[in-house]
Amino acid sequence: EAGVTQFPSHSVIEKGQTVTLRCDPISGHDNLYWYRRVMGKEIKFLLHFVKESKQDESGMPNNRFLAERTGGTYSTLKVQPAELEDSGVYFCASSHGVDYGYTFGSGTRLTVV
Amino acid sequence: QKEVEQDPGPLSVPEGAIVSLNCTYSNSAFQYFMWYRQYSRKGPELLMYTYSSGNKEDGRFTAQVDKSSKYISLFIRDSQPSDSATYLCATLSNTGNQFYFGTGTSLTVIP
Repeated sequence: EAGVTQFPSHSVIEKGQTVTLRCDPISGHDNLYWYRRVMGKEIKFLLHFVKESKQDESGMPNNRFLAERTGGTYSTLKVQPAELEDSGVYFCASSHGVDYGYTFGSGTRLTVV
Repeated sequence: QKEVEQDPGPLSVPEGAIVSLNCTYSNSAFQYFMWYRQYSRKGPELLMYTYSSGNKEDGRFTAQVDKSSKYISLFIRDSQPSDSATYLCATLSNTGNQFYFGTGTSLTVIP
């Protein structure tokens, strides 16, 4: 089966611009998660979708971040406007059930300059 | 206080050595503990998980949880250069919908 696909793999944008990250989960996985790793820090939870509904978005840093999941398939994470502190690696993961069996994507490395 | 604390290393060992990677966690209610391996420019990949206390063995890898001391360990026997990666410990939140990760330990196995 195809894994979790994220793109772009890298993005360099200027402060104040908008960036949209995309995640395609494993087909049939209802649960989709976004995590972020800021340099030197641990990977931290951003939010959790079950199908198209946001189950938990307690990790979203602020209202500059907007996540959507169209029709319970792929998901996008938009940062608008981007700030320097948003730089990091954004990981998407999916799972069939709410259990430990996540599959992570390779991540999108975002650099805000 | 962080949910999971992990020594970032780096750790460098000769091929064939036994490697011990360790983490501590803060909440005694946590029940699921995982070890992920992450190669450069890749996402974390689940290596092992344990439930509650005890040991779990899979080939050259052994995961151990000591709930009395809130300590989790990963042992790698007969380490190989292909084991060179960052190892992340994690625990599942009590709500079951997010992981708390350690910062990761960078391991290099020298041929």
